[in-house]
Amino acid sequence: DTAVSQTPKYLVTQMGNDKSIKCEQNLGHDTMYWYKQDSKKFLKIMFSYNNKELIINETVPNRFSPKSPDKAHLNLHINSLELGDSAVYFCASSQTDRGRGNTIYFGEGSWLTVV
Amino acid sequence: GQSLEQPSEVTAVEGAIVQINCTYQTSGFYGLSWYQQHDGGAPTFLSYNALDGLEETGRFSSFLSRSDSYGYLLLQELQMKDSASYFCASLPAGGSYIPTFGRGTSLIVHP
Repeated sequence: DTAVSQTPKYLVTQMGNDKSIKCEQNLGHDTMYWYKQDSKKFLKIMFSYNNKELIINETVPNRFSPKSPDKAHLNLHINSLELGDSAVYFCASSQTDRGRGNTIYFGEGSWLTVV
Repeated sequence: GQSLEQPSEVTAVEGAIVQINCTYQTSGFYGLSWYQQHDGGAPTFLSYNALDGLEETGRFSSFLSRSDSYGYLLLQELQMKDSASYFCASLPAGGSYIPTFGRGTSLIVHP
């Protein structure tokens, strides 16, 4: 059973389109995340969300919006895609536990290419 | 804020021992984690140090010195499959508990 699953794995789309990436976790975790990994492999937090609070990285354009229908899902919607949005997007989850370092469990990634 | 520095690339031969360093600057800090990512794959958790000292997990060990704002990942008996990127991540004190990742170290293991 896949712990954190995201779809699609690969997405090629044109500039200006709107697209969504879906994410589900079956670990019972209380927090989910979206990370962006660029071509230089820098892992940048975009959003963190639990049933209490959405934390948004202030550098993320408002064209990106997380949508959480329930505790096990956190989808990423992107409006008006730009070339610079091409990257790998990782969904992740954790059970907030300061004592264990808040271990992050990542999905397999969604490779987004904007042409 | 949080910032972490680690070397961009390290090379070693099979069977050797390699150390990947991570220095951090943070306004508050719970601990340091390490993640491994193979090309085309997802980052996976390796270890976490909340206290100073060495944590050992099989061939991998991780060390933390809070007084020096420094940690390292030690990989012993290197195998070809250890070729991957390794990320240190700091867990900030207070509030979000969202780890901040370093830029990653690409480890290349040669036969």
